[in-house]
Amino acid sequence: SQQGEEDPQALSIQEGENATMNCSYKTSINNLQWYRQNSGRGLVHLILIRSNEREKHSGRLRVTLDTSKKSSSLLITASRAADTASYFCATENTGRRALTFGSGTRLQVQP
Amino acid sequence: DAGITQSPRYKITETGRQVTLMCHQTWSHSYMFWYRQDLGHGLRLIYYSAAADITDKGEVPDGYVVSRSKTENFPLTLESATRSQTSVYFCASSESSVITEAFFGQGTRLTVV
Repeated sequence: SQQGEEDPQALSIQEGENATMNCSYKTSINNLQWYRQNSGRGLVHLILIRSNEREKHSGRLRVTLDTSKKSSSLLITASRAADTASYFCATENTGRRALTFGSGTRLQVQP
Repeated sequence: DAGITQSPRYKITETGRQVTLMCHQTWSHSYMFWYRQDLGHGLRLIYYSAAADITDKGEVPDGYVVSRSKTENFPLTLESATRSQTSVYFCASSESSVITEAFFGQGTRLTVV
């Protein structure tokens, strides 16, 4: 079964708006990461947040982590058409040295 | 060229045939992974490897075999392909045992007819 589940499955916004995606997971984690996948391409790492951190920023990206609720959110501010992609959360569980991915959120940014 | 490369990019094979997907990385990363991506399921871990000659099963290992005789190569073999193995397969690598970033190949689109 999937460790991470993203919500919503699909999101369509206008350029300039903010996009928020959520991720829930099931077991204890070392860290949580977010990846982007453009259509037909491999995944690209965006940002990592460790289990002892609550918030992290990188450019227009803001990630939060709530380990008590086993959830994370990714906020993309001032979205651009080039942000159109699928976004995945991934967790490295304490018991396995491998990343487990959620099912992803498809983001469409309309110009 | 530096990076992680998969071959072939596209493959069509018949049910029952054996097929091997190749993955090669130039960074000497310790960890390598194979995932499959299907609509509605996201990425699911098939096998992973912590080092040469060390491999472990992931979520969906049945029907697949891996080997890692050299650090830089991690081939995935479908012993007897089935239509349910039609998917996009991604190989990835990571430098350390605490996975701070995984680097992905471009994927192999496999169709089993």
